[in-house]
Amino acid sequence: GAGVSQSPSNKVTEKGKDVELRCDPISGHTALYWYRQSLGQGLEFLIYFQGNSAPDKSGLPSDRFSAERTGGSVSTLTIQRTQQEDSAVYLCASSFYNEKLFFGSGTQLSVL
Amino acid sequence: TQLLEQSPQFLSIQEGENLTVYCNSSSVFSSLQWYRQEPGEGPVLLVTVVTGGEVKKLKRLTFQFGDARKDSSLHITAAQPGDTGLYLCAGSSNTGKLIFGQGTTLQVKP
Repeated sequence: GAGVSQSPSNKVTEKGKDVELRCDPISGHTALYWYRQSLGQGLEFLIYFQGNSAPDKSGLPSDRFSAERTGGSVSTLTIQRTQQEDSAVYLCASSFYNEKLFFGSGTQLSVL
Repeated sequence: TQLLEQSPQFLSIQEGENLTVYCNSSSVFSSLQWYRQEPGEGPVLLVTVVTGGEVKKLKRLTFQFGDARKDSSLHITAAQPGDTGLYLCAGSSNTGKLIFGQGTTLQVKP
C-alpha cells in the first residue's frame, strides 16, 4: 500500500478483555516497529521485527503483551487482560532495513 | 540503557521568534533523527544526522549533531504557526532499534 496502515483506529475495551491491534507495513519494508505513546509524550519502544524475527523485545511492559509478524509483512500486537494503564496510542512503523521510519496513524486504545 | 533527554518539554512563542530545542544523552548514537508529529498522526521524519559536528538545514530549520554524537539541537528561525507540533528526537542504538526522547511541544501563536 501507499503507507503504513493500522487498524482499528480507535478501540474501547473493558478492563480484563483481550485486544488485538493490526499493522500493515509498506510493501517491501523489512523492519517493523511497535511503539506506545501517552498524550503529548514521546514514544516508548515496545518491540522491533526484522523480517519475521524479533531481535529486540525488551520494551514489552509485561507478559500480557505479545506480538508476531507473519510472511515478513502484517504484524499483530496482542494485549491480554487489559488494564487501565494500557490506555495509550499504539504506533506502528516500518522501514527498509533500519533506514527512515514511516509511521502509521496509530490505534487509540481506551481501557475502561 | 540508552536514554535521550529533550528540553524544553513545552514551548509557547509568538510568530517570528527564534527557538532552540535540545536533545541530550550520555550515550553515543550512530545516528540521530528528528521527527515532527501533528495531533492524530504518526511522526514524520525531518532529518537524519550521522557525522559528529554535522549541520543540516531545512528551510528555516537548522539541525546540529554534537561532535561526540551524544547530543543534537534543532533551531527554528522566525517561527510560523505552521511549525506548531510535537518535535521528537530519536537515536539509533547499536541493536538497531530507534529510541525516542520524550518530545518538545511547540506552540507558535499568530
